Amino acid sequence: EAQVTQNPRYLITVTGKKLTVTCSQNMNHEYMSWYRQDPGLGLRQIYYSMNVEVTDKGDVPEGYKVSRKEKRNFPLILESPSPNQTSLYFCASSPRGPYEQYFGPGTRLTVT
Amino acid sequence: AQKVTQAQTEISVVEKEDVTLDCVYETRDTTYYLFWYKQPPSGELVFLIRRNSFDEQNEISGRYSWNFQKSTSSFNFTITASQVVDSAVYFCALSGSYNQGGKLIFGQGTELSVKP
Repeated sequence: EAQVTQNPRYLITVTGKKLTVTCSQNMNHEYMSWYRQDPGLGLRQIYYSMNVEVTDKGDVPEGYKVSRKEKRNFPLILESPSPNQTSLYFCASSPRGPYEQYFGPGTRLTVT
Repeated sequence: AQKVTQAQTEISVVEKEDVTLDCVYETRDTTYYLFWYKQPPSGELVFLIRRNSFDEQNEISGRYSWNFQKSTSSFNFTITASQVVDSAVYFCALSGSYNQGGKLIFGQGTELSVKP
């Protein structure tokens, strides 16, 4: 089944404890992206990657890191999480940038 | 700057009613892409449709139809004979050309509640 998977789906952590949210797609898509969804602010792009080893900042990159060493994986790293990073995170992939993006199931992160 | 406006925050209808969700966009690009996504209560984002800026043909898929009008910068979504399973938040989104990074600009969403 073609899909985007994210792990974990739910995570509660404490301020400053490094964490990684994994994202993997099995559709051989070039483009991958991370978004966060917050009440009243909608969905905003954090980082994106047009292909392996090519990443760039989205609208809200502060406090996040990404890497794209393999085509299928695009992990999101929070080196020192803070409470304002409490959010619902979505990973997405697309055959190419402007085309429809297929989203993972979401990761609900709470930072206390 | 690119922007998507969904003026309807919430809509409530009774099952079998037709409902139209409005979407107005702003962009200076000549090539752009418009999308609709559905977010049911379970939380996932489901892709519904993509339209290219150079293709103004309307589209129908079962009970769903989309009306794209460049003259009014609108891309409205109509559900005919709504059903309870249509209850969800619906997002309209805009993307520029490939060299702009493929970012989706989302509207704020319209929460549709279909009551039996």
